Amino acid sequence: EAGVVQSPRYKIIEKKQPVAFWCNPISGHNTLYWYLQNLGQGPELLIRYENEEAVDDSQLPKDRFSAERLKGVDSTLKIQPAELGDSAVYLCASSHSGGQPRTDTQYFGPGTRLTVL
Amino acid sequence: AQKITQTQPGMFVQEKEAVTLDCTYDTSDPSYGLFWYKQPSSGEMIFLIYQGSYDQQNATEGRYSLNFQKARKSANLVISASQLGDSAMYFCAMREGGSGAGSYQLTFGKGTKLSVIP
Repeated sequence: EAGVVQSPRYKIIEKKQPVAFWCNPISGHNTLYWYLQNLGQGPELLIRYENEEAVDDSQLPKDRFSAERLKGVDSTLKIQPAELGDSAVYLCASSHSGGQPRTDTQYFGPGTRLTVL
Repeated sequence: AQKITQTQPGMFVQEKEAVTLDCTYDTSDPSYGLFWYKQPSSGEMIFLIYQGSYDQQNATEGRYSLNFQKARKSANLVISASQLGDSAMYFCAMREGGSGAGSYQLTFGKGTKLSVIP
């Protein structure tokens, strides 16, 4: 079974430029998460989708960040414009909701490492 | 207050020895789940083991076991027979809320960097 796929793996941009990250979850997983991981820290949730609906976006900086999951499968996270402080790893995870606790386990992709110059 | 505390920024262990990585948590929710993830230098977070708050027995998965002490609010990860490939960051995480329908936010600790010495 294929895992969570993310692209690109690495991205270097200049500040004020836009950037987008793509995520394809594990097949059959209806819940998708975007996390931000700063250096030396654990991941922090940005947004959570249940199918197409963003059910928790309280920690997403909406002035510059946006996300979509139009068909309830893959998702895109965008930053426009990027700032120096956005340099971090952006992780996508997915899970199958509604089952036993073990099936609610979140499985992560390899992440996108963003560097803003 | 920190919900997940990992007090060991770094740990060293000799190959083939056992090692314990500490994790304490803080919640008033009676229903919660505790997870451990491994993050090698490649960046991917790899799920290792899960413990539910109502589970009567400590979780085990191969060489990984979770020493769950509910009264102390601790969920330490024990890795037996360490291997060189175990060198990585290890994160403890908690999910509060029911274990039924819906998935809930994971709150992560700051991690422990484990180095296995040949």
